[in-house]
Amino acid sequence: GAVVSQHPSWVICKSGTSVKIECRSLDFQATTMFWYRQFPKQSLMLMATSNEGSKATYEQGVEKDKFLINHASLTLSTLTVTSAHPEDSSFYICSARDSGTRGLTGELFFGEGSRLTVL
Amino acid sequence: AQSVTQLGSHVSVSEGALVLLRCNYSSSVPPYLFWYVQYPNQGLQLLLKYTSAATLVKGINGFEAEFKKSETSFHLTKPSAHMSDAAEYFCAVTPSYNTDKLIFGTGTRLQVFP
Repeated sequence: GAVVSQHPSWVICKSGTSVKIECRSLDFQATTMFWYRQFPKQSLMLMATSNEGSKATYEQGVEKDKFLINHASLTLSTLTVTSAHPEDSSFYICSARDSGTRGLTGELFFGEGSRLTVL
Repeated sequence: AQSVTQLGSHVSVSEGALVLLRCNYSSSVPPYLFWYVQYPNQGLQLLLKYTSAATLVKGINGFEAEFKKSETSFHLTKPSAHMSDAAEYFCAVTPSYNTDKLIFGTGTRLQVFP
């Protein structure tokens, strides 16, 4: 099956620094990727839709200047948490659909997640 | 707005027992319904999906789910639990057609006891 890889899988940083998380589709192209945030023992909350070659679409309540998303190629989207604070500590998960599949079957492939801890 | 509700944040069963994880969607029939499984510190893996082709959907690892419009439900079942089934399970829905967005339920943690 299709593989989505995230890097790093875990990161610890100091408050005030910025952290970049990469999401790659390894064996398919993805014009659209999605970024989710998951707090401990809670569900996944959609943060934004990453569109290749254009601006990301953010969900209501998500600060676009805080969570910078770049989708520069068909296989890579990055999420940068700027000036991170302890409340940004979370599990960040990306997902993508193979752009080559016809129609919207709704099958998304998820990365393994990136755990961010801000001290 | 489309949403899903998962009743029971924790479910415990004995190995070999029936697994039943509940999911109800909001009143309007959603385009697609899904069940995903998440193992600790991992991403999500698709178990099965409903796309209106058939009301009983069979997925991987022996799981299946039945779409019941009259009950607005899409409960996940497995006849006989295995220790390896212990994980977090999420029901999800697409809010409309022509979108890959997923709206997730709050999740149900399944524990399997020997």
